[in-house]
Amino acid sequence: NAGVTQTPKFQVLKTGQSMTLQCAQDMNHNSMYWYRQDPGMGLRLIYYSASEGTTDKGEVPNGYNVSRLNKREFSLRLESAAPSQTSVYFCASRPFDIFTYEQYFGPGTRLTVT
Amino acid sequence: AQSVAQPEDQVNVAEGNPLTVKCTYSVSGNPYLFWYVQYPNRGLQFLLKYITGDNLVKGSYGFEAEFNKSQTSFHLKKPSALVSDSALYFCAVRDYNAGNNRKLIWGLGTSLAVNP
Repeated sequence: NAGVTQTPKFQVLKTGQSMTLQCAQDMNHNSMYWYRQDPGMGLRLIYYSASEGTTDKGEVPNGYNVSRLNKREFSLRLESAAPSQTSVYFCASRPFDIFTYEQYFGPGTRLTVT
Repeated sequence: AQSVAQPEDQVNVAEGNPLTVKCTYSVSGNPYLFWYVQYPNRGLQFLLKYITGDNLVKGSYGFEAEFNKSQTSFHLKKPSALVSDSALYFCAVRDYNAGNNRKLIWGLGTSLAVNP
């Protein structure tokens, strides 16, 4: 099992450009999450998908959109990148189990917006 | 409001000494508590969790954590630190307001440096 994979690993964008961050998991997990990690701010939830076909906003959704393409894939789109979106982005997934809260993380995408 | 606090931004210990990374929480129900580790330029890895039962929970890489209900704490411990334990550690708690969405509330992280 590859677990949670993310592409690309690194990306540099100019202000106003758009891009999509890809995330896929091969663990048959139902729930998937997108976080951003900034120094001194810990992890902040951008969007999540409790199950295939559903998505919901997290703490910091402004400037982002998501698509739960199927059970495996959950993508994050920046329509018009801004320097404030410079961050490390993590995707995570969680199995469908009422007693399981722990999430499994991908390796991250380091995004710089100039 | 529910919250998780990691009161120390950085912890320094000498290799071979015991280490403690502190976490305190505030939740509206029975706490489900978690510790994660993040090595440089990597994603977060699950270390251990407390749901119910024994207050001392054992996890990966020789780590353990002690749940203390009266002090609302869940400190991460290891009897003998290794240089390779140097990493960023996150504490998290179940978000009771999330219902079936199973979200976590995260601490800001503690950077652990183990000196040779």
